[in-house]
Amino acid sequence: AQSVTQLDSQVPVFEEAPVELRCNYSSSVSVYLFWYVQYPNQGLQLLLKYLSGSTLVKSINGFEAEFNKSQTSFHLRKPSVHISDTAEYFCAVSKMVASKIIFGSGTRLSIRP
Amino acid sequence: NAGVTQTPKFRVLKTGQSMTLLCAQDMNHEYMYWYRQDPGMGLRLIHYSVGEGTTAKGEVPDGYNVSRLKKQNFLLGLESAAPSQTSVYFCASKKDASTDTQYFGPGTRLTVL
Repeated sequence: AQSVTQLDSQVPVFEEAPVELRCNYSSSVSVYLFWYVQYPNQGLQLLLKYLSGSTLVKSINGFEAEFNKSQTSFHLRKPSVHISDTAEYFCAVSKMVASKIIFGSGTRLSIRP
Repeated sequence: NAGVTQTPKFRVLKTGQSMTLLCAQDMNHEYMYWYRQDPGMGLRLIHYSVGEGTTAKGEVPDGYNVSRLKKQNFLLGLESAAPSQTSVYFCASKKDASTDTQYFGPGTRLTVL
């Protein structure tokens, strides 16, 4: 079975500062990895995903995540955050060609001006 | 193209009352899901469906029933609501087994008194 651990429930940062949201997973098989974002009072949206190939994946709004198989991690980073990045971020894992994905408990990113 | 829609957006029930949450998608997706979101627990899968006429249990199915009579609709029923079912409920869909991205509805906030 797969599981996902998000080590930080809340991460406060100042605007324009860098941020890293941590995610570790466990699985006995090869997996797909995802970051979803939930803006206030909305549903979840896919931010980025790792399926295969390059271990560094990027989103259109400046986030990136690196798949590290040896450390079983998929941390999310952004070099300079904006107020509009305020949201809850969920890491998720699934087996390849699976019907279900497993979500982490979420990390609430709050940006201070 | 509305994507995934959920009805209603908000609801307050008394303990023991019943209700049905409706999820509809217009993307011709095969797979549909019902999750509940509770603080600090991420999203937990209640039930899911891999096609019209099929349903399966997820991680927390007790107290809920589902039906998928039409491909575009996935109904979640609470026969006798309990305060422990106070939560935000999200529906999601994905195209088929070979695809990886789930698309989420805006959520239904349910309070059981």
